[in-house]
Amino acid sequence: DVKVTQSSRYLVKRTGEKVFLECVQDMDHENMFWYRQDPGLGLRLIYFSYDVKMKEKGDIPEGYSVSREKKERFSLILESASTNQTSMYLCASSSASRPREQYFGPGTRLTVT
Amino acid sequence: GENVEQHPSTLSVQEGDSAVIKCTYSDSASNYFPWYKQELGKRPQLIIDIRSNVGEKKDQRIAVTLNKTAKHFSLHITETQPEDSAVYFCAASTRTNAGKSTFGDGTTLTVKP
Repeated sequence: DVKVTQSSRYLVKRTGEKVFLECVQDMDHENMFWYRQDPGLGLRLIYFSYDVKMKEKGDIPEGYSVSREKKERFSLILESASTNQTSMYLCASSSASRPREQYFGPGTRLTVT
Repeated sequence: GENVEQHPSTLSVQEGDSAVIKCTYSDSASNYFPWYKQELGKRPQLIIDIRSNVGEKKDQRIAVTLNKTAKHFSLHITETQPEDSAVYFCAASTRTNAGKSTFGDGTTLTVKP
């Protein structure tokens, strides 16, 4: 059974802080994704990665960066958190053989004050 | 890029009734259409998917239909139960881009006992 975990369920940060959200998957998946989920806006893709050290921008990358140094770990970085980045952040992973079947983590609810 | 529209945004049905959620997509190259269910406070989970070479797929009380010509697909839930209450997301993707999917905005389904 695929397990995708995220470092925190809830996080409160101050405006201007640097924030790290971590995601780990244990199924040797090649692809990993970061989404943010806001009411009425569905799931919007921030960044994704299809291999170690590889990354591609999604639909809303502004204000975010990512890091993938190891296959199982994909980090989302908010360089200088702002209040409009208050949201639920979801990580997902998928295999190269079935890339479009995504397995999601439990989410991190980030509040920026 | 791909645009996915999902309707309705909220749906309330009586237990035992059927529920139908519809999605339209814009990119004729899209060929994979998954549906995810997200219960309150939990992660989205893939419940059924359909590929463009198939018109309909069933799994017990849920089914998905696809009309490639009209570029729309629908989720059908029969004999609804209170545990079907959740947010449902549709998505569309092409064979490219390592599994990148575009999601609809979600439908909140409430099944009243």
